[in-house]
Amino acid sequence: KNEVEQSPQNLTAQEGEFITINCSYSVGISALHWLQQHPGGGIVSLFMLSSGKKKHGRLIATINIQEKHSSLHITASHPRDSAVYICASFGNEKLTFGTGTRLTIIP
Amino acid sequence: ETGVTQTPRHLVMGMTNKKSLKCEQHLGHNAMYWYKQSAKKPLELMFVYNFKEQTENNSVPSRFSPECPNSSHLFLHLHTLQPEDSALYLCASRTDGNYGYTFGSGTRLTVV
Repeated sequence: KNEVEQSPQNLTAQEGEFITINCSYSVGISALHWLQQHPGGGIVSLFMLSSGKKKHGRLIATINIQEKHSSLHITASHPRDSAVYICASFGNEKLTFGTGTRLTIIP
Repeated sequence: ETGVTQTPRHLVMGMTNKKSLKCEQHLGHNAMYWYKQSAKKPLELMFVYNFKEQTENNSVPSRFSPECPNSSHLFLHLHTLQPEDSALYLCASRTDGNYGYTFGSGTRLTVV
């Protein structure tokens, strides 16, 4: 059974700081998703990656398949980045979700 | 607009009521999903439909009854719910062979 663990569970930082959120999974997967959930509840897909690194604006996602580990980085963080970030692994035609990291960026 | 539309956004219902949640997508996806998100828990898969056929029921109580009349619409019929069923219910869709999912904005359900 695949398990997905995220750390930290909660993160508060000052505007402008570099943010890192970590995700570990226990079995081999086809792809790893990073999702963003705002207070209203809707989920937006940020990245889907199977290897290496992807970048979109100030967000960077990396994955190490051998170590079964992924990270989400936010550069020059801004209060509008405040949200819950969820890691989800895709394997055996299913998504397995982490519990999420609640990020708060203080102006 | 996420491409997956859920209605209503909020719902308060009594334990003896019957209500339905609706999910709609016009992305051409063939698979649709219902997930439940309870406080401080990971999203839990409830049901999967593929080309209108239910392919997975993740041991969900019978007070939750899904319906998929076509590949674009998915319903979740609710009856005699319990307060512990209060949660955010999220719909998602994707195309087989593609790992990308599109999520809706969710319906926040409160059972009183």
